[in-house]
Amino acid sequence: DQQVKQNSPSLSVQEGRISILNCDYTNSMFDYFLWYKKYPAEGPTFLISISSIKDKNEDGRFTVFLNKSAKHLSLHIVPSQPGDSAVYFCAAPSTSNTGKLIFGQGTTLQVKP
Amino acid sequence: DAGVIQSPRHEVTEMGQEVTLRCKPISGHDYLFWYRQTMMRGLELLIYFNNNVPIDDSGMPEDRFSAKMPNASFSTLKIQPSEPRDSAVYFCASSFGTGSFGRNTIYFGEGSWLTVV
Repeated sequence: DQQVKQNSPSLSVQEGRISILNCDYTNSMFDYFLWYKKYPAEGPTFLISISSIKDKNEDGRFTVFLNKSAKHLSLHIVPSQPGDSAVYFCAAPSTSNTGKLIFGQGTTLQVKP
Repeated sequence: DAGVIQSPRHEVTEMGQEVTLRCKPISGHDYLFWYRQTMMRGLELLIYFNNNVPIDDSGMPEDRFSAKMPNASFSTLKIQPSEPRDSAVYFCASSFGTGSFGRNTIYFGEGSWLTVV
């Protein structure tokens, strides 16, 4: 039962363009969402988060949008840089189990120079 | 300040052998998590501890998997006997306070790459 889904395993964009990574969820009780970034041979690192009371959170080139009615969130990277090439995971805290983060399958982003 | 330290970084073992993965969390962190990454399921939480006590092990796939945290600075994940389908990257992570609310970041180690042949 995958409560957090990233349906696109990979995405390729040109340097300077916008990257849009998508995430869908099934549990309307989720009240917080996070994005983690993972480089090869490294552990995931926290990137940006958004509370369910907001519909947008921006941090430099990274913006996360939340559409609660559609149970959908997206991460926008503008402009994309080759160093952004990584695996991106969206995650949400379990509503039934304090301390548990539920991750999506991840999307591999490749930014071409 | 050292991050989460995992060992070994890479392990190749034969089916049926025992595998022990080790983790040293960030000093002062009271939560420790073991995750497994696979292509099909992404990052799965296997088990997590709070103040060295296992809180939720519902993600542990089978009785072949076990985890311990004898003290605040050390945890092990053991697979006995190992099978080829256990091949994956195993991450240990820690946080101060529950990272699940996003207000306290979870810090991941670099992972242990396990291959069972």
